[in-house]
Amino acid sequence: DADVTQTPRNRITKTGKRIMLECSQTKGHDRMYWYRQDPGLGLRLIYYSFDVKDINKGEISDGYSVSRQAQAKFSLSLESAIPNQTALYFCATSDPEGYGYTFGSGTRLTVV
Amino acid sequence: SQELEQSPQSLIVQEGKNLTINCTSSKTLYGLYWYKQKYGEGLIFLMMLQKGGEEKSHEKITAKLDEKKQQSSLHITASQPSHAGIYLCGADVTGANNLFFGTGTRLTVIP
Repeated sequence: DADVTQTPRNRITKTGKRIMLECSQTKGHDRMYWYRQDPGLGLRLIYYSFDVKDINKGEISDGYSVSRQAQAKFSLSLESAIPNQTALYFCATSDPEGYGYTFGSGTRLTVV
Repeated sequence: SQELEQSPQSLIVQEGKNLTINCTSSKTLYGLYWYKQKYGEGLIFLMMLQKGGEEKSHEKITAKLDEKKQQSSLHITASQPSHAGIYLCGADVTGANNLFFGTGTRLTVIP
């Protein structure tokens, strides 16, 4: 099993719909992150969480919300999806020692 | 990311050739991370650099961090088709281990 699992892998949704992307990890890391990747823009941080009670906005949090249900689970919600939220979304975890992030395989989201 | 510039944006090389990818930060780095991404897939951690002048190697890939800790290079020796993908640098500029990423370098290796 993968250390960081994202579901679904692919999703097509309509404008205005609410959608949730899920992430679970078996690394035992406290820190979890959500990024989106757009062509030519690299990875941009949406939200991050350093433990279950700690949620922080990243550089592009508008239109998104998150929930840290447990140390191992961090979900990302789009309350009302819009086409410019079409992107590849990545969940990642890290340990405080900073030995790199472990990324999930990504969720490809298309909003039509 | 506006704090991190990666060059070149894309690179096409013949198999067997050497190549270098650069990553430049406007701020001093607490840590610099290199990742490789196969098209449309997740990111695989390659190397982490933290000390000025540090150099690490793994197989045919060498990463260096300059003494000022603002620039890093990734060098691939004798490239192979398996090296193809997108290479991203991630920078910790606050010490909080929140990474900002470059826009990536798309590497194509022609057999």
